Order: sequence, then structure tokens, then C-alpha cells
Amino acid sequence: GENVGLHLPTLSVQEGDNSIINCAYSNSASDYFIWYKQESGKGPQFIIDIRSNMDKRQGQRVTVLLNKTVKHLSLQIAATQPGDSAVYFCAPPSGGTGKLIFGQGTTLQVKP
Amino acid sequence: DADVTQTPRNRITKTGKRIMLECSQTKGHDRMYWYRQDPGLGLRLIYYSFDVKDINKGEISDGYSVSRQAQAKFSLSLESAIPNQTALYFCATRETGGNGYTFGSGTRLTVV
Repeated sequence: GENVGLHLPTLSVQEGDNSIINCAYSNSASDYFIWYKQESGKGPQFIIDIRSNMDKRQGQRVTVLLNKTVKHLSLQIAATQPGDSAVYFCAPPSGGTGKLIFGQGTTLQVKP
Repeated sequence: DADVTQTPRNRITKTGKRIMLECSQTKGHDRMYWYRQDPGLGLRLIYYSFDVKDINKGEISDGYSVSRQAQAKFSLSLESAIPNQTALYFCATRETGGNGYTFGSGTRLTVV
């Protein structure tokens, strides 16, 4: 079955530094991948997605890289801010149902 | 007003009681999902619905039932609550053919 996993359960960075959150997946049939951010007490919030025919996509302060050869994607956050502190999930939709396959998430802690 | 509204936000119930969690959306999306979140386990899919007449089981549907009363409403019921159903429950919506999912703020359920 499908599986996603983030490489580190917790990532601690200094405010102003760049953050890189990594994710591995097993399902090669996903058309796209989505990164979500979940702040304490809130539901997951869409950050950015990337289609499987792309290898890079940029948003505001975030960049997602997709390496289909090794089934790996990463989320890069530039100039990390305290408001970036949250749990981050990568979630490829599963086939025709569109249901999201979530891993355990990476907790990003931003130190002032 | 939130696009996806879940009620109640918090609930404590006793073992054996029937309880309903409600979800309503103003996004006009066809697809609706119920997930539960447990510490260290990410989000797991309970049930999903592609339209009013379409209901599908997810990974962990045992002990749960759902009702899609209208396009905008999707409720989750625990017929006879048990303590291991203590979790954070999220409703999500998605437009058919769309990439983005919108999550509610969650319902924290405690079964004692």
C-alpha cells in the first residue's frame, strides 16, 4: 500500500535561518503532492502543491522540490519565522479517490 | 465564517454513548472526508463521500458511521463510543478535480 514518511519527527531551527523538511513516498502513481501545515489547535492548512511532472515549485518563502527517481520531496522555508512553528505533512493523494495519505508529520520548532 | 465548520469543538462522553460530530461547508465542494488524528500517527481516513449518494469506507471505519445529509453536510457518528476513539477528528472538503483540501478546525473527542 501507499506510504509516506518524513525523515525527522522534529526539526529545530534558529529564527531567520532556512528550514528543510524532507519526505519520502512509495506510491509512484500520484499526480501531485501537497504540503500541509498544522498549527497547534487547528486543522491542516494547505501550503503548496506540486504536480508530478514538475521538479520544483516556488511560493511565498517556500519552495518544494520533487525527485521522482528516489521518490523524495522536500519543503524549504526561507528566513524561518516564529509563525512557521507547526507540524508539517506531505500528503500525496491516493489514486482516484483523492484521499490523502498522511505521514506522521515533522514538528518545526523555531528558536528566537 | 469558516469555510468548513465542525461542531462541537470539544466533547467528553461516556463509554457506550452514541455521539454525532457534525461538519458543514460553504465551499460548494462535492467531496467530503472524515479523518482522525492521534499523537504520532498522523491523520487516518475514516470515511469519505463524493456526493450525497456516495459513501465510502476509509482505513479505519469500524465503530463509525456517516451520513451525507446534503452536499454541504457530512456527519460522523460513533454508535457506541469506546475510550480508544478518543482523538482529534477533522472534516475536510475537496472540489472534484481540484487539488486543494480545506480542513475544519477539528473536534476533540474524549471518551471516558
